[in-house]
Amino acid sequence: GENVEQHPSTLSVQEGDSAVIKCTYSDSASNYFPWYKQELGKRPQLIIDIRSNVGEKKDQRIAVTLNKTAKHFSLHITETQPEDSAVYFCAVYGSGNTGKLIFGQGTTLQVKP
Amino acid sequence: DTAVSQTPKYLVTQMGNDKSIKCEQNLGHDTMYWYKQDSKKFLKIMFSYNNKELIINETVPNRFSPKSPDKAHLNLHINSLELGDSAVYFCASSSRGQVGELFFGEGSRLTVL
Repeated sequence: GENVEQHPSTLSVQEGDSAVIKCTYSDSASNYFPWYKQELGKRPQLIIDIRSNVGEKKDQRIAVTLNKTAKHFSLHITETQPEDSAVYFCAVYGSGNTGKLIFGQGTTLQVKP
Repeated sequence: DTAVSQTPKYLVTQMGNDKSIKCEQNLGHDTMYWYKQDSKKFLKIMFSYNNKELIINETVPNRFSPKSPDKAHLNLHINSLELGDSAVYFCASSSRGQVGELFFGEGSRLTVL
């Protein structure tokens, strides 16, 4: 079945610095790659996603890059702010058309003011 | 006008008891899910229903029984609760046939003593 590996598990940066989180997946047929943010005590919420027909997508300070050949995709956050502190999850859909979204292990990002 | 709502938000109970968590979505989605988030923040899919029909059952113990009376509701009943069942349970929904965003409820924190 599909496997998703996410690194690092924790990341601490100074406010204003950039943060990068990387995920690798196993199923070459995967074609949709979302990133979710979960603030403490809250629900996971989609922050950005990318489909396999593009290599990069940007939304203000966040961007996602996709390397289909290497089967990895990354979340980039620039000019980090304390409110970016949260747990970030990458995800891919399992094989077949079951709609099963498989999440990475999560990365706890701490932005120090 | 919450999109995905689940109740109760907190549940504290003794081992061996039976408990239920209810979930409702008003987004008109066909597919609903239950995810379990353990103390290490791993988000693991448990069940998925599409139009009241079970389509994913991730080898969850049969003490867990989901019930979908209609496509807007997916409830979770847990029998003979064990310590290891302590977790946050998230209900979610998505639009079937479209690979896209998962909308999560606020979560139900279950503590088994």
